[in-house]
Amino acid sequence: EAQVTQNPRYLITVTGKKLTVTCSQNMNHEYMSWYRQDPGLGLRQIYYSMNVEVTDKGDVPEGYKVSRKEKRNFPLILESPSPNQTSLYFCASSLTSGRIRGRTNEQFFGPGTRLTVL
Amino acid sequence: AQSVTQLGSHVSVSEGALVLLRCNYSSSVPPYLFWYVQYPNQGLQLLLKYTSAATLVKGINGFEAEFKKSETSFHLTKPSAHMSDAAEYFCAVSYFGNEKLTFGTGTRLTIIP
Repeated sequence: EAQVTQNPRYLITVTGKKLTVTCSQNMNHEYMSWYRQDPGLGLRQIYYSMNVEVTDKGDVPEGYKVSRKEKRNFPLILESPSPNQTSLYFCASSLTSGRIRGRTNEQFFGPGTRLTVL
Repeated sequence: AQSVTQLGSHVSVSEGALVLLRCNYSSSVPPYLFWYVQYPNQGLQLLLKYTSAATLVKGINGFEAEFKKSETSFHLTKPSAHMSDAAEYFCAVSYFGNEKLTFGTGTRLTIIP
């Protein structure tokens, strides 16, 4: 089954304790992205990756890191989490169709990771 | 720069009534427009998309949306609401050559029995 998976689905941690949220897709997609969802703010992009070893900042990158060593995986790293990073996080992927005439850049989303930082 | 405005953070309709969720966009280039639905405790699922072909777009679960360039709108409609339509709906915009999605703040749809 074609899907985007995230782990863990739920995480409660304390301020300053490094954590990693994993994201994996099995659709051979080039483009991957992380979003955070907060009430009243919708989804905001944190980081994205156009392909292996190519990453760039989104709209709210402060306090986050990412890496893209393999095409299928795009982990989100919080080196020193703070309470304002308590949020619902989504990973998404798409076939880089935005560059292909006539195709659209539909993104497929993972199930989400609910993070609470105390 | 591109942006999306969704009017009404909460919308309630009776079962069987018309569903209308509003979305207006701002884009300096021809947009691609999307509606996503999020059911409780789940990720986002694509309902429908506009990609500069037909202005009336039909999606899954009986939803459709009409692209109106003159009004910069892409409102989502369904003729008859069902209890299973209760969810949060997000409008999003991007444009050709750029995968980035800019989302609206979402509209939570409640269906009254």
